[in-house]
Amino acid sequence: SQTIHQWPATLVQPVGSPLSLECTVEGTSNPNLYWYRQAAGRGLQLLFYSVGIGQISSEVPQNLSASRPQDRQFILSSKKLLLSDSGFYLCAWNLRGQAFFGQGTRLTVV
Amino acid sequence: GESVGLHLPTLSVQEGDNSIINCAYSNSASDYFIWYKQESGKGPQFIIDIRSNMDKRQGQRVTVLLNKTVKHLSLQIAATQPGDSAVYFCAEDTNDYKLSFGAGTTVTVRA
Repeated sequence: SQTIHQWPATLVQPVGSPLSLECTVEGTSNPNLYWYRQAAGRGLQLLFYSVGIGQISSEVPQNLSASRPQDRQFILSSKKLLLSDSGFYLCAWNLRGQAFFGQGTRLTVV
Repeated sequence: GESVGLHLPTLSVQEGDNSIINCAYSNSASDYFIWYKQESGKGPQFIIDIRSNMDKRQGQRVTVLLNKTVKHLSLQIAATQPGDSAVYFCAEDTNDYKLSFGAGTTVTVRA
């Protein structure tokens, strides 16, 4: 069966520090991968998606970047975090339309 | 439709009553729709889906209704239980590799 791993679960980082969130998928090959952000009490905002290794599409201009160095690995990064980057970050993969989500990373920038 | 920047609407329901959660979608070309449930601090989980060639689909205690004419989707939960308290999102497959999520509705079940 397919599983998705996302870590860390929580993270507190100072303003201006770098960020690296990792997501890996097991049990499938060539998945479509996604990073979403969810601010407190709000809906899901799509940040990036990838349909293959090295292929990244950005949905909104921002302080973040994404990379897909391997088929089942998706990384969300920032060189310098802003306070506004705080939120709940979710990795997901898509199979025939249905998205499966990781458990999320709660990022607090202080 | 997209919900970026919007606060989530809420629904308060008495335990044992039926709940109805509504969603309007924006893309008439979308042919696949999904409802997700998100509990506090967790990722969204699949509840039920429906293809555009159907107007109703039933699961265990849940029913999804699709009205393509007015681009409206609803989720009905029968005999709502405390464990049903969560945020519920609808999503549409816009056929461009992405799922577009609705605003989400916070459901609170009163004992």
